[in-house]
Amino acid sequence: DGGITQSPKYLFRKEGQNVTLSCEQNLNHDAMYWYRQDPGQGLRLIYYSQIVNDFQKGDIAEGYSVSREKKESFPLTVTSAQKNPTAFYLCASSSHGGGTGELFFGEGSRLTVL
Amino acid sequence: GEDVEQSLFLSVREGDSSVINCTYTDSSSTYLYWYKQEPGAGLQLLTYIFSNMDMKQDQRLTVLLNKKDKHLSLRIADTQTGDSAIYFCAETLGGATNKLIFGTGTLLAVQP
Repeated sequence: DGGITQSPKYLFRKEGQNVTLSCEQNLNHDAMYWYRQDPGQGLRLIYYSQIVNDFQKGDIAEGYSVSREKKESFPLTVTSAQKNPTAFYLCASSSHGGGTGELFFGEGSRLTVL
Repeated sequence: GEDVEQSLFLSVREGDSSVINCTYTDSSSTYLYWYKQEPGAGLQLLTYIFSNMDMKQDQRLTVLLNKKDKHLSLRIADTQTGDSAIYFCAETLGGATNKLIFGTGTLLAVQP
């Protein structure tokens, strides 16, 4: 079945450590996104990529980094510079070039910093 | 600004209608969306409306769009306990269909 797979589903990290969240899609979508979800704040865009080897900062990119070396993959690294990394992280993808712009989401990764 | 606003919580009884409201900011949004998030999961698209429409109905769901007031609503008829979830409205920023701005989400609690 086509879809988006995020891993791990739960992750614990000590302060000062970097951690990488995986996002893979087999929908042949050009665009991929990372959102952060905090209670009562909705979804905030961290980074997005419209095409391989290109990505742009979203609204809250500080303390995060991404890469887009393959169409199928868009990993997110939460660095030690991110001051408040405990959150639920959602990856999404969409086909590029018009249409309804529907986003397809993964099941999310919950990161807890101890 | 780019804030999309929703009330945080709505409680209804099973069988009643639910109305979830949203105020958006970008008058050039091409599409407006309603997404549903069940506990611990990602979001799924429920329905969307094109900006030149006033209303869209899809089975138990009715979407109303008031462009003058930048107000979007989602009505769920005959609400069931399985409808309990967080509902997000979203707008397309600057008419670009690939960048969505999400609201804060409304938690719908359906009482049996």
